[in-house]
Amino acid sequence: DAGVTQSPTHLIKTRGQQVTLRCSPKSGHDTVSWYQQALGQGPQFIFQYYEEEERQRGNFPDRFSGHQFPNYSSELNVNALLLGDSALYLCASSPTGGATGELFFGEGSRLTVL
Amino acid sequence: SQELEQSPQSLIVQEGKNLTINCTSSKTLYGLYWYKQKYGEGLIFLMMLQKGGEEKSHEKITAKLDEKKQQSSLHITASQPSHAGIYLCGARHSGGYQKVTFGTGTKLQVIP
Repeated sequence: DAGVTQSPTHLIKTRGQQVTLRCSPKSGHDTVSWYQQALGQGPQFIFQYYEEEERQRGNFPDRFSGHQFPNYSSELNVNALLLGDSALYLCASSPTGGATGELFFGEGSRLTVL
Repeated sequence: SQELEQSPQSLIVQEGKNLTINCTSSKTLYGLYWYKQKYGEGLIFLMMLQKGGEEKSHEKITAKLDEKKQQSSLHITASQPSHAGIYLCGARHSGGYQKVTFGTGTKLQVIP
């Protein structure tokens, strides 16, 4: 049973570029949340997707957007990259709309902005 | 997050020693999570606690939830080098599907 999978694992971009990160939830999970983790910090909630809609959003600018597909997989898009966007981006999935409380994370995508 | 404070921030222990990590919330807890993270990697789920007084164990790791004090503790018995890493607590401060807020983590080193 595959857990949460993310791609790519590492990527390097320059300021002003755009990036797309991908996530496949754990089998049986229908809710996907994205987190940003800066070095030495805890993960910060970006947003959550359920039934292909953004259900909750953290304190992140509109440059951060996402999408959920009918198969529950999800994408995180970041436009106009800034140096401060360099971080580990984590995807987490939950079953039953998040009601049970389970939250499992992928290995993350390490983004470096130069 | 100031909503969730972990202590200590870092810990160095000799192999075989016991240790405790604390997590205190400034808001009512609806669920408390413990994760372990190796540097630069994803979060490994350890335990989820939802009821006051609840206690769970996984191998040599035990976590307890004190709902009244809005605190949780993670206790490792007879630590091993494999326990080294960053331990993160996360909390739901509302019911249902609400987001999980994380502390800044406790970095644990175990010296052989």
